[in-house]
Amino acid sequence: DIQMTQSPSAMSASVGDRVTITCRASQGITNYLAWFQQKPGKVPKRLIYAASSLQSGVPSRFSGSGSGTEFTLTISSLQPEDFATYYCLQHYIYPWTFGQGTKVEIK
Amino acid sequence: QVQLAQSGAEVKKPGASVKVSCKGSENTSTGYYLHWVRQAPGHGLEWMGWINPKSGLTNYAQKFEGRVTMTRDTSINTVYMELSSLRSDDTAVYYCSRDLGAPWGQGTLVTVSS
Repeated sequence: DIQMTQSPSAMSASVGDRVTITCRASQGITNYLAWFQQKPGKVPKRLIYAASSLQSGVPSRFSGSGSGTEFTLTISSLQPEDFATYYCLQHYIYPWTFGQGTKVEIK
Repeated sequence: QVQLAQSGAEVKKPGASVKVSCKGSENTSTGYYLHWVRQAPGHGLEWMGWINPKSGLTNYAQKFEGRVTMTRDTSINTVYMELSSLRSDDTAVYYCSRDLGAPWGQGTLVTVSS
C-alpha cells in the first residue's frame, strides 16, 4: 500500500497566518491527490482535487501544489472557520490511502 | 442538490455483521462511484472501497476483502455496505460519499461491544 505521511501532525496558528501542510507519498502518484477538511463532528469536505484544482465553492485562500511524491496544501490567510483537521488522499493505486491528518488549532 | 441519507446507529456484538444503507435523493444509476470511508473514534479516515450503482461493480480495499460486501438496489436509489465478523476495532463512523466529492452521507456510528 502507498503510505501517505503528513507533516506536521498538529500545529498552532493565528488568524491571518499563512499555513502550509505537506503530504509525502511513499511512491509516485503523479497528481492523483486530494485534500479534505474535517471539523469536529462533521463530514469531511473536499477542498482540492488533482493536486491543485480548487473544488467549486471553496475559498481561493486554499491552494494545492505538487506532483509525484510531495504535495502541499496552503492557506494564504487563516480564517477562524479554517481551524480543523486536514487530510490528503492518494487515489492513484488501490487501496486508496489517506494521510494521518494535520490538526490546525488556534494559537 | 443530491443528498445521501444513511441508516441509523448500530450496536453489534463481536462476530456479528452489520449492514449500513445509503439512500440517494435521486436516481443512483448514473455515472459515478459510491465510496465508503470509515473513521474510528479519535482517528483518521480510512477508505474501504466503492460500488458503481449502475453496474454493481465493486472494488474493495484488500484489508476488508472477505469481510465487506457492497450492494445496491437501484429501484430505491440505495446502496448498502455489509461488514461481517465484526471486531471491537471496527467501531467507527461509516460514511458513504459520491465520488468522495459531494455529497457525503451524515455518517453511521457502528459500535462493536460485548
